[in-house]
Amino acid sequence: DAGVTQSPTHLIKTRGQQVTLRCSPKSGHDTVSWYQQALGQGPQFIFQYYEEEERQRGNFPDRFSGHQFPNYSSELNVNALLLGDSALYLCASSLTGEAYEQYFGPGTRLTVT
Amino acid sequence: KNEVEQSPQNLTAQEGEFITINCSYSVGISALHWLQQHPGGGIVSLFMLSSGKKKHGRLIATINIQEKHSSLHITASHPRDSAVYICAVTIYSNYQLIWGAGTKLIIKP
Repeated sequence: DAGVTQSPTHLIKTRGQQVTLRCSPKSGHDTVSWYQQALGQGPQFIFQYYEEEERQRGNFPDRFSGHQFPNYSSELNVNALLLGDSALYLCASSLTGEAYEQYFGPGTRLTVT
Repeated sequence: KNEVEQSPQNLTAQEGEFITINCSYSVGISALHWLQQHPGGGIVSLFMLSSGKKKHGRLIATINIQEKHSSLHITASHPRDSAVYICAVTIYSNYQLIWGAGTKLIIKP
């Protein structure tokens, strides 16, 4: 049983570009959450997707958008990249409901130059 | 004041020592999570608690809902336990995890 997978593992982009990160949840999970973790800091909640809709959003600008597909996999899109977007982007999957255990993927390390 | 407070912030111990990391929170929660993050790595969920105590190998997690406090214990600590340990909570009708600042644990051989 595969756990949460993310792709790509590492990514280097230039300021102003756009990026798409991908996440496949653990088998049986229907909810995907995305987090941004800057170097030396704790993760910050970006948003959560359930039933192909954004259920809740953290304090991130509209440049950050997402999508969830019928197979529960999810994408995180970031437009007009800034240097400050350089971070580890973590995806977590869980079953419906906020109290269920979250399983984390290995993360995608994004570097914006 | 942060909603989730962890202590200590940093902890260095010798191999074999009994380790305790504490977490206090100030909000009503539906669950408390203990997670582990190795340097440069992703995050691994260790425990999810809503009451009582859980044990997995050398790791034990307890929670006291009335006192809004949880502890993570590591018995017979080993250098491979060196990591950042994070306490996070979920609040009713709020789907995000609210994270503590983490405890950086170093176990010396």
